[in-house]
Amino acid sequence: QVQLQESGPGLVKPSQTLSLICTVFGGSISSDGYYWSWIRQHPGKGLEWIGYIYYSGSTYYNPSLKSRVTISVDTSKRQFSLKLSSVTAADTAVYYCARGPRPSQGWFDPWGQGTLVTVSS
Amino acid sequence: SYVLTQPPSVSVAPGQTARITCGGDNIGSKSVHWYQQKPGQAPVLVYDDNDRPSGIPERFSGSNSGNTATLTISRVEAGDEADYYCQVWDSSSDHVVFGGGTKLTVL
Repeated sequence: QVQLQESGPGLVKPSQTLSLICTVFGGSISSDGYYWSWIRQHPGKGLEWIGYIYYSGSTYYNPSLKSRVTISVDTSKRQFSLKLSSVTAADTAVYYCARGPRPSQGWFDPWGQGTLVTVSS
Repeated sequence: SYVLTQPPSVSVAPGQTARITCGGDNIGSKSVHWYQQKPGQAPVLVYDDNDRPSGIPERFSGSNSGNTATLTISRVEAGDEADYYCQVWDSSSDHVVFGGGTKLTVL
């Protein structure tokens, strides 16, 4: 059974770059045609899709974040990463990684437990 | 960009049926997925367009037609109290959209 776990700093200073890693357990990141995604949730708010990556490196980003987001993958480590540059307090959120989507199966399952990232000096 | 609209809240008594809607332009032509999120927890997929994932009770079902998709929860239990989100993957743009979420309260 595939499980995902986010890791990275819980506190980032304004204007710096937020960096998170998602490690995949119990399965390969390069099999079965899945994309691998980042999703965030501002405190008390709804879900916001950030972007996803295929094991080959193809990426798709939310247009509202595209200028600041980079998602990369390291298949040998079964990890994919998120970098969000020039952060402000508005980027304070719980960040989730998730498996999916994939062609004809556009959902996310499973999700990591999420990690809270606070942007503050 | 594509927009999904959910009611902020739905309330239902235990044992009754809850219907949570998700509105979008011609959403009936899209695959709609539903997530349940309890406080302090990650979202969990409860309906994936046509079926329930393994482990999800049969009480959860979905429908989608025209401009409205609906998640129906039959014989609601106290443990169903949570936030529910709809989601689509727009294959034409390769973008993902979430609805704003609906808080289900079990009275």
